[in-house]
Amino acid sequence: AQSVTQLGSHVSVSEGALVLLRCNYSSSVPPYLFWYVQYPNQGLQLLLKYTTGATLVKGINGFEAEFKKSETSFHLTKPSAHMSDAAEYFCAVKAGGTSYGKLTFGQGTILTVHP
Amino acid sequence: SQTIHQWPATLVQPVGSPLSLECTVEGTSNPNLYWYRQAAGRGLQLLFYSVGIGQISSEVPQNLSASRPQDRQFILSSKKLLLSDSGFYLCAWSISEQYFGPGTRLTVT
Repeated sequence: AQSVTQLGSHVSVSEGALVLLRCNYSSSVPPYLFWYVQYPNQGLQLLLKYTTGATLVKGINGFEAEFKKSETSFHLTKPSAHMSDAAEYFCAVKAGGTSYGKLTFGQGTILTVHP
Repeated sequence: SQTIHQWPATLVQPVGSPLSLECTVEGTSNPNLYWYRQAAGRGLQLLFYSVGIGQISSEVPQNLSASRPQDRQFILSSKKLLLSDSGFYLCAWSISEQYFGPGTRLTVT
């Protein structure tokens, strides 16, 4: 079975500061990992994904994440926060085998950006 | 390109009333389809998924049901709503990664 833990339900940063949102996963098979962003009263938007290959993946809006197998982590970073980054962020892991593409989501991290 | 639609966007229903939420996908064929519920402070809960027409799998026991009458249409229903059914309902489709619709905000009063 897969599981995802997002450390910190709320993260607050100043505009221009580094954004770091933490995600640890558990998976019995090589994982596919995803980060999604959700703005208020909207659906989830895919930020980036890791499947195989390069462990540092770049996504939209200047975000990137690094897959670290030894640490079972997939933390999301952005060098300089913008006010428009304020949203809720979800990390997810995709189960292997006959999972029919089902995702297991973390509980989410709300990012607040202060001017 | 692919698009996913959900309607209605918002809905206020009394306890005991029926429910029908619809989701349609354009620009792809034979996608996997999913219904999620997002309750305040509780993350995303997978309710149903479907790998083909008429094929529905339920993830949690509840008074909701789902149907897939056409390849790109996914419907979430209830015969009698409960207060606990309030939440934000999201439909998603996937071939590889999942893409989400805009959601339906349901308030049961």
